[in-house]
Amino acid sequence: DQQVKQNSPSLSVQEGRISILNCDYTNSMFDYFLWYKKYPAEGPTFLISISSIKDKNEDGRFTVFLNKSAKHLSLHIVPSQPGDSAVYFCAASGADGLTFGKGTHLIIQP
Amino acid sequence: DAGVIQSPRHEVTEMGQEVTLRCKPISGHNSLFWYRQTMMRGLELLIYFNNNVPIDDSGMPEDRFSAKMPNASFSTLKIQPSEPRDSAVYFCASSPTPLGSRDTEAFFGQGTRLTVV
Repeated sequence: DQQVKQNSPSLSVQEGRISILNCDYTNSMFDYFLWYKKYPAEGPTFLISISSIKDKNEDGRFTVFLNKSAKHLSLHIVPSQPGDSAVYFCAASGADGLTFGKGTHLIIQP
Repeated sequence: DAGVIQSPRHEVTEMGQEVTLRCKPISGHNSLFWYRQTMMRGLELLIYFNNNVPIDDSGMPEDRFSAKMPNASFSTLKIQPSEPRDSAVYFCASSPTPLGSRDTEAFFGQGTRLTVV
């Protein structure tokens, strides 16, 4: 059973609008959450993270929100740019290390 | 630093052959991870080393898979014999922090795309 779920395999957003990527988890012992971005033929690269003691972390155009009671986190990108088109992986850190979701392919349309 | 370096970038092999994937972690990082990415299962952790010692290999799918880390700057993942269902992208990652600690951020290599025919 997947402990980290990204239920949207793909998401299409118009350039300039807000992109919202969602992630749900089941293990309440996860204490740190990360988002990775992956371009084709490259390895995932770290994007932004949030500790379980916080509910929001912002870095430029990227903001991650954490709702611990709902075991849900989301990544907001605003405004969306063409270079944001990539696969985004949600990851959770716990005793067994990093557990990844299957990823969401974000497509930014001009 | 050049980052995590994996070789080869692409590997095509016949079923039954031995395959060896190589990884050079970032200098100074004491944790190394091997991941496998498939469409069906996403990114899966295969094995984790800390200070060259295998800590958790519960993700290794079968005995056909083995991994070694003879020193702090080199690791291999071997599949013998290989099967078509092993076809995937294999990522190596390293981290300066031990697994399970806060702020665990892994730096990934570019991956090896393995195709077993």
